[in-house]
Amino acid sequence: EIVLTQSPGTLSLSPGERATLSCRASQSVSSSYLAWYQQKPGQAPRLLIYGASSRATGIPDRFSGSGSGTDFTLTISRLEPEDFAVYYCQQYGSSPLAFGGGTKVEIK
Amino acid sequence: EVQLVQSGAEVKKPGESLKISCKGSGYSFTSYWIGWVRQMPGKGLEWMGIIYPGDSDTRYSPSFQGQVTISADKSISTAYLQWSSLKASDTAMYYCARGGYCSSTSCYLYNWFDPWGQGTLVTVSS
Repeated sequence: EIVLTQSPGTLSLSPGERATLSCRASQSVSSSYLAWYQQKPGQAPRLLIYGASSRATGIPDRFSGSGSGTDFTLTISRLEPEDFAVYYCQQYGSSPLAFGGGTKVEIK
Repeated sequence: EVQLVQSGAEVKKPGESLKISCKGSGYSFTSYWIGWVRQMPGKGLEWMGIIYPGDSDTRYSPSFQGQVTISADKSISTAYLQWSSLKASDTAMYYCARGGYCSSTSCYLYNWFDPWGQGTLVTVSS
């Protein structure tokens, strides 16, 4: 069973700054089967990235994903006011599927 | 537009049974897996299981095996999540989400989830 650890737990940044979120797997995620989601308060999660680096339909290009094996990163190049939310990674390379514990990006 | 619409919030007592639903539209419901995800109050996302409505093939997370039942009725494009005896610890938001695609030549059993339903809040309290 793969366990995903996200860091930091909370990231305090200002609009316009760059956000770098980490997702580390307890074992290698096959074929980079890793996704990222954004969740705002009172809303369902929204898919941002799949396959570690492919943006989902309609996702702005300020969001980018990278990584392979056990280390993955979500980068938001310049934070917009609507980007302050909780972000989750998910591995789907093996069962059971797993989500990370989340990183909250808050306004500094 | 691809859409998953879930049933409304529920308030139940411990020991009661419950079945919540997730209706898909805007796509071929029988060609994609549907997953269920739990989010306890103030906590993260937990994968519960998936079902393929085409033939009702179902896979459960070990953490939820035996605790819930996932089913589907392809004739009405609806997936279900049910409990036979609720506990206070079942209080949570439950999301359904569309998973992987299956064709005649390939099937993506484990996949990312997109889109998600709006969620069903289940409250279990005496």
